[in-house]
Amino acid sequence: AQSVAQPEDQVNVAEGNPLTVKCTYSVSGNPYLFWYVQYPNRGLQFLLKYITGDNLVKGSYGFEAEFNKSQTSFHLKKPSALVSDSALYFCAVSPLSGGYQKVTFGIGTKLQVIP
Amino acid sequence: GAGVSQSPSNKVTEKGKDVELRCDPISGHTALYWYRQSLGQGLEFLIYFQGNSAPDKSGLPSDRFSAERTGGSVSTLTIQRTQQEDSAVYLCASSLAGTSGGPDTQYFGPGTRLTVL
Repeated sequence: AQSVAQPEDQVNVAEGNPLTVKCTYSVSGNPYLFWYVQYPNRGLQFLLKYITGDNLVKGSYGFEAEFNKSQTSFHLKKPSALVSDSALYFCAVSPLSGGYQKVTFGIGTKLQVIP
Repeated sequence: GAGVSQSPSNKVTEKGKDVELRCDPISGHTALYWYRQSLGQGLEFLIYFQGNSAPDKSGLPSDRFSAERTGGSVSTLTIQRTQQEDSAVYLCASSLAGTSGGPDTQYFGPGTRLTVL
């Protein structure tokens, strides 16, 4: 069975500082990996995804994530946090197997950027 | 273009009543997902439809939950004999069929907030 772990319920960071939101996964074979963001009172939005290729994936709003196969991790990063980045972030995984598209989400990490 | 829409946006019901939640996916999206979001529980997968294939119902928590997708488009999630623990936000998402047969980016609706009294 596939699973996602987001070990931190909440991450606090000062505005302008770099931020990291952690994610580890478990899946049979190679993974598809995603990050989604949920702003207050708004729906979930896609941030970025990893399928194959370069381990460093760049996404929306200046976010990036690094795929590390040996550590089965896909941490979300941003060099300089903005107050507007405060939101709930979800990591998700799906197996890279033909035709199967069930996506498993983590529990979410609340990011609080402090002015 | 139009995104994923869900109705109603809010539903308050009494314990024991049946409810139907509707999802209109983005036109042309072959995959449709239902999730449940409860406080502190993240996104819980419920069911997944892909084209004409049999749906993956492995996430439905009990036989009180069912879903159908008519004509490969609109989907309805039905909860029978609702219980207080069914209170949550129910999210629908749709996507294109991804490359290499895997998942593509999901586009989420605004959700239906269900409250069971």
